[in-house]
Amino acid sequence: AQKVTQAQTEISVVEKEDVTLDCVYETRDTTYYLFWYKQPPSGELVFLIRRNSFDEQNEISGRYSWNFQKSTSSFNFTITASQVVDSAVYFCALSVDYNTNAGKSTFGDGTTLTVKP
Amino acid sequence: DVKVTQSSRYLVKRTGEKVFLECVQDMDHENMFWYRQDPGLGLRLIYFSYDVKMKEKGDIPEGYSVSREKKERFSLILESASTNQTSMYLCASSLTGESADTQYFGPGTRLTVL
Repeated sequence: AQKVTQAQTEISVVEKEDVTLDCVYETRDTTYYLFWYKQPPSGELVFLIRRNSFDEQNEISGRYSWNFQKSTSSFNFTITASQVVDSAVYFCALSVDYNTNAGKSTFGDGTTLTVKP
Repeated sequence: DVKVTQSSRYLVKRTGEKVFLECVQDMDHENMFWYRQDPGLGLRLIYFSYDVKMKEKGDIPEGYSVSREKKERFSLILESASTNQTSMYLCASSLTGESADTQYFGPGTRLTVL
């Protein structure tokens, strides 16, 4: 069975601070995909990034960066110089590659980030 | 851009009523999903469908049923709504059943059962 743990339920920072959202996953499969989604107050989850289990390169996209470490089963997300618009619920998700999966993902419980001006 | 729409943003129903939540996607995606989102519980999969008229139970199917008569439309049905089904309901779709596929979400329906 798959499991995704986002231990931080809520985080509050002041604008321009850096913040890291943690994600730890569990799976016995060797081929899997990890995702981060953002859910702003409007409610619609928006895809941010996908990584496969064979690609441990870190990725940077503007103020966002992701650190994937198979040794610790973690896929952490860092926002540099946070802004008020970053306030949202962030979900980490795991999808494994087996026949009956049909593209299902296991989601963490989410981390609510509040960025104060 | 993929667009997933849900029939209502807010819905208020009474206990025992039959409730239909509709979801439509416009990108010819094969897979569609229904989740409910509750504080502290994240997203929990109710049902998903990988083809027209095909459905699979998710993690919490009790009290729900689904219908997929057309590829673009996936309906969630609460046969007899109960107060513990008050929740945010999210629909999603993905291109295929591949595990690499990104899911695209609708805006959600916040259902209150009185």
